[in-house]
Amino acid sequence: AQTVTQSQPEMSVQEAETVTLSCTYDTSESDYYLFWYKQPPSRQMILVIRQEAYKQQNATENRFSVNFQKAAKSFSLKISDSQLGDAAMYFCAYRSGVHWSGTASKLTFGTGTRLQVTL
Amino acid sequence: DAGITQSPRHKVTETGTPVTLRCHQTENHRYMYWYRQDPGHGLRLIHYSYGVKDTDKGEVSDGYSVSRSKTEDFLLTLESATSSQTSVYFCAISERGPNSPLHFGNGTRLTVT
Repeated sequence: AQTVTQSQPEMSVQEAETVTLSCTYDTSESDYYLFWYKQPPSRQMILVIRQEAYKQQNATENRFSVNFQKAAKSFSLKISDSQLGDAAMYFCAYRSGVHWSGTASKLTFGTGTRLQVTL
Repeated sequence: DAGITQSPRHKVTETGTPVTLRCHQTENHRYMYWYRQDPGHGLRLIHYSYGVKDTDKGEVSDGYSVSRSKTEDFLLTLESATSSQTSVYFCAISERGPNSPLHFGNGTRLTVT
């Protein structure tokens, strides 16, 4: 079974600075998809960014980018020019692309990293 | 935002009582999921559905059952609630394809006293 590990329970960053949240995963599959979700205090789960394992290019969405290292099974999220609104829990998630049926359709989540943004 | 409605938003119930949480979608997506969120555990899959009347268990399914009689509705039932089922419950939907992200409802906070 695939596992997702977020080793940083909490992180802090100053406004306008850059922060990187780490995520590693364990899989024997070669075809899969990775996601970062943000959960602000409102409890809503918001998709931040996604990455296809077959793509070498790192995904970017405005101030959010990933560093995808397939061989190392690492998928870190970089937030540039941090804003107060970035304060939230961030979850990394894995989804199999090999067997697209049954349980393979689920997302497996890490335990999350709580990001604080200070002035 | 994806059209997903969870009800109720909050619920307090007593140990041993049955509880049903409802998830309603207006997106006509095939896949629906129930997750629970607990501190230190992230989100864990309880049950999911890949079509009307087609459901399967997730990693923490003990004590829960689900039903999906219509595309738009996915019900989660706790047959006899226990304090260990105090949690925040999220419903999610997804289109077909592994690159399709999950879209989440706003969650139900359930407290079992």
